[in-house]
Parts: sequence; C-alpha cells; structure tokens
Amino acid sequence: NAGVTQTPKFQVLKTGQSMTLQCAQDMNHNSMYWYRQDPGMGLRLIYYSASEGTTDKGEVPNGYNVSRLNKREFSLRLESAAPSQTSVYFCASSEFGEGTMAEAFFGQGTRLTVV
Amino acid sequence: DAKTTQPTSMDCAEGRAANLPCNHSTISGNEYVYWYRQIHSQGPQYIIHGLKNNETNEMASLIITEDRKSSTLILPHATLRDTAVYYCIVRVTAGGFKTIFGAGTRLFVKA
Repeated sequence: NAGVTQTPKFQVLKTGQSMTLQCAQDMNHNSMYWYRQDPGMGLRLIYYSASEGTTDKGEVPNGYNVSRLNKREFSLRLESAAPSQTSVYFCASSEFGEGTMAEAFFGQGTRLTVV
Repeated sequence: DAKTTQPTSMDCAEGRAANLPCNHSTISGNEYVYWYRQIHSQGPQYIIHGLKNNETNEMASLIITEDRKSSTLILPHATLRDTAVYYCIVRVTAGGFKTIFGAGTRLFVKA
C-alpha cells in the first residue's frame, strides 16, 4: 500500500534548467495538490486538481505548471528554475472532491535545490 | 483572508494531555477547520477536522468554540512520538482557493 509516491526525492538544478516532479497515488482519490515548504515555514499551495481533468491555481503558482495526467498522477513542472524555487515540494491527495483538505495523504517530499 | 494564529511552541509531559490552541477569528460560516502534524521533515499527517461540533477520533479530539473563532486540538495521552509541528488550517474559497497553513505549533513531549 504505497499511498502517495513522489519522484525524485532529491534534485539539484542549475538556474534556467527545467524539470518535472512526479506524483502518483494509488487510493483512487479525486483531489490532488502540490505544496511547497520553505525552511521554518508552513506549506503554501502551488496548484491543485479537484478532479481528473481539472487544475487550478493556489497561492503561489508563478513559475510552475501542472498536469493531471489521469486520476492517479499529478505532475509539477518548473520550466526555468530559479534559486527562489529552492524548497521542499509535497504532493497530496484526498478522496474528497472540490479541493477540500479533509483527510489528505501527503507524499514524503522532493527536496529541490536550484543553484 | 481568513488565517490562523497558533503559539510558536509548547511543552507537554509524556502521558499528560496536550492542548493546542488555534485562533481563526475570520473563518466563514461553512468552512471547516483541519489539523495536521509534521514529524521532522516528513510529509504532513492528517489528524482531524470539524465544522462546529466537537469531534473525536483515535488520534485526538477537536473542540470548536460556539462562535467558531477558535479551536483546541487535544492529544489525550501524549507520547514522545507526538513531538511534531501541529498545523491548524482553514480553507478559504473567496477570491480563489487557498489553504492557510501558517507556521504551526512545535510541540515538545518530554519524558
């Protein structure tokens, strides 16, 4: 029972490089989320997907794009990485729709450093 | 925007109840309060949520004041493994979906 799986776990990028963070859940959940967490701070919502085929911006969407590939997978893309995007990225999913945060399961995070 | 206010840190003796307060005075009438915790740098873990009635599950109890401006998470018998950062969260929909995590309360459970 894997839950929410994020890949990669660690990544170092050079400024201007692009990459895609992958997230998959095996719980048949409707809602999926991408958050970032900067040192000593709480999580901030980047994008979310309330159901398959829909995506919406959260608090801090600039510099990111997302794709809800299917019900299981929700990817986050950095087109041109910047040092300000150095952070820990968490993916989450919830069986409840409409982007509710009830009973969400989180992945173990991707630690991204942009140099 | 609705936001939450929590103490920066709290201590609790092992085996005693840990009471973690949260102020959310601008929460709207149909928005839930959610509690999560984060141990070390792991992904956050869901604890409990509620609207206006008190809630209890196998992990904790949630007490919400009648005016819904504040709530308290209660861990009835804290253990060392409950040492974590606890986040009180409200979901805001006006002006676009947001979840306000805040900085949370760092709970230290001491032997």
